[in-house]
Order: sequence, then structure tokens, then C-alpha cells
Amino acid sequence: GAVVSQHPSWVICKSGTSVKIECRSLDFQATTMFWYRQFPKQSLMLMATSNEGSKATYEQGVEKDKFLINHASLTLSTLTVTSAHPEDSSFYICSARDGQPLAKNIQYFGAGTRLSVL
Amino acid sequence: AQKITQTQPGMFVQEKEAVTLDCTYDTSDPSYGLFWYKQPSSGEMIFLIYQGSYDQQNATEGRYSLNFQKARKSANLVISASQLGDSAMYFCAMRPLNTGGFKTIFGAGTRLFVKA
Repeated sequence: GAVVSQHPSWVICKSGTSVKIECRSLDFQATTMFWYRQFPKQSLMLMATSNEGSKATYEQGVEKDKFLINHASLTLSTLTVTSAHPEDSSFYICSARDGQPLAKNIQYFGAGTRLSVL
Repeated sequence: AQKITQTQPGMFVQEKEAVTLDCTYDTSDPSYGLFWYKQPSSGEMIFLIYQGSYDQQNATEGRYSLNFQKARKSANLVISASQLGDSAMYFCAMRPLNTGGFKTIFGAGTRLFVKA
């Protein structure tokens, strides 16, 4: 299957700092990428849909100024957690959809980023 | 409203035996895709299998098969010949294919434990 690379896989930061997470589609062009948050033992919660060259669409209850998303190219989307606080500690996982007809609209996921805010 | 239901929070299976993970869904969209993902303890979401709502045959991918019953709105995952490495969390997901948004919804997941 297609490969989505997410970096870093694990980050610890101090409260008040910002953290940037990168998501890259390695072998396909992703016009749409998705950012999810996952709490322990729970399902994935969609935070926002990222479209190349336009503003991201945020889900209800997700602060767009807190979670900045940039989709600068067809293979790269970034999520920046600004002024992180301990309650932002979570597992963040990105996903990219291969829009080619033969790809069956399958979403491929990155390996996730475990964020711990001290 | 669209919804995915996985009623089994946890399942045990003996190594080398088959196991069925249940998934039911609700949607008003006539065309949709059903997906199963595996999430091991490392956290990555691994795509396993896909079923389109208009596909005539049930999808199969190696040891994975999808028991798709459209009238019952169920899309159960069958894992044959379970292996210890199959122990993981499994998520059923659905996305409409023709309407705007292309938003995928996920079930709550089923944790599978494979016993040696």
C-alpha cells in the first residue's frame, strides 16, 4: 500500500511552546490530508481536513488558532500545536487519501506522533 | 446520520483459529466504502481491506475477508488462521463516496487478543 510518513513519532515539550508535526505522502499525491487525535483506548477523532493550497476545514470544537494546519504541497501537510498545554498531550495521527481512481479512495495513515506537554 | 458500531470491546481467539470481528453501520448514502484498519500497540493505523457498497463480491486480502451483508448493513471482518501478531486494536470505518466532504467515520474499535 501507499506510504505516509509522519514526523516526529514522539515529542516532549514544555508548556507554552509550539510543536510542529509533519505528514508526508511518499509515493502518491494527496490533495486531501486529515489530522486526527486519539485519546487512550478510544477511537480516532477527526480534527481537521487539510486541502492543498487552501485553508483547512476544522471540525466543531477544534480551535483553529490552537492547531494550525498548513498544506503547502501535494505531499506535505503540517500541524502546529501552538502554546501547548498539558491537556494537549495526546496521540496525533495524520492520514492522506490517494485520489487516483484505482486507489479506491483508501486513506493511508502515518505512524502517529505522541505528544507529551510538561 | 452516519454511524459505525462495533459491539465487541475485546475478543479472544486461539492461535491458528479463525475469528470474526463485528461491524454494523448506518448511512443514507447510496454509495459508500467500508474499511478495516489494524492498530498495534505502536500506534500506526494499518489498512487491511476495503469493500465498496456496489461490489458484487466480498473482499478478500490474504487472511482477511470481509463478510459484507448490505441488507443487514454489516461488514464483519474475518481473520483466518490467527497469528500472535494479529493481537491489536481493529477499527471499522465508512466513508460516503459520492457526497461532498469525504469524511470517514470510525467505530469504537475491538481489541483482539490471540492466545498461544
